[in-house]
Amino acid sequence: EAQVTQNPRYLITVTGKKLTVTCSQNMNHEYMSWYRQDPGLGLRQIYYSMNVEVTDKGDVPEGYKVSRKEKRNFPLILESPSPNQTSLYFCASSFLFTGELFFGEGSRLTVL
Amino acid sequence: AQKITQTQPGMFVQEKEAVTLDCTYDTSDPSYGLFWYKQPSSGEMIFLIYQGSYDQQNATEGRYSLNFQKARKSANLVISASQLGDSAMYFCAMRTNTGGFKTIFGAGTRLFVKA
Repeated sequence: EAQVTQNPRYLITVTGKKLTVTCSQNMNHEYMSWYRQDPGLGLRQIYYSMNVEVTDKGDVPEGYKVSRKEKRNFPLILESPSPNQTSLYFCASSFLFTGELFFGEGSRLTVL
Repeated sequence: AQKITQTQPGMFVQEKEAVTLDCTYDTSDPSYGLFWYKQPSSGEMIFLIYQGSYDQQNATEGRYSLNFQKARKSANLVISASQLGDSAMYFCAMRTNTGGFKTIFGAGTRLFVKA
């Protein structure tokens, strides 16, 4: 089944404790992206990648890191989480030139 | 700067009636794609419809159609014959095909379908 898989789905952590949210897709998509969703703000792009070893900042990259060492994986790293990073996070992927994004189920992160 | 604006935070529609959800966009890129996604209360993001900037015809997918007015930079979603299951959050999004392939989303419109 074609899918984008995120883990963990739910996480409560404390300020400053490094965490990684994994994202994996099995559709051979070149494009992968991370978004955060906050009430009233819609989805805001954090980082995106157009292919292996090619990443770029979205609109809200501060406090996040990503890597794209393999085509299928695009982990999101919070080196030192803060409460303002409490949010619902989505990973998404697509072919580069078709555009329709396939989304993971979302990861709800709470930073205390 | 690229921007998507959805001016309707919430809307009500009677079951079986049609409803239009507004979306305006701003970009200087001549090549772009416009999308609508549905997010039910369960949280997943569901792709509904796509319109390319060079497409001559308005996109349609079942009960969904996209009213694309390029000169006005609007891409409104029309849902015909609303169903109770259409109650959800709806997001308009835009991807530009040059200069980085960024995809940006509007703030969303919450649609309530009344029985």
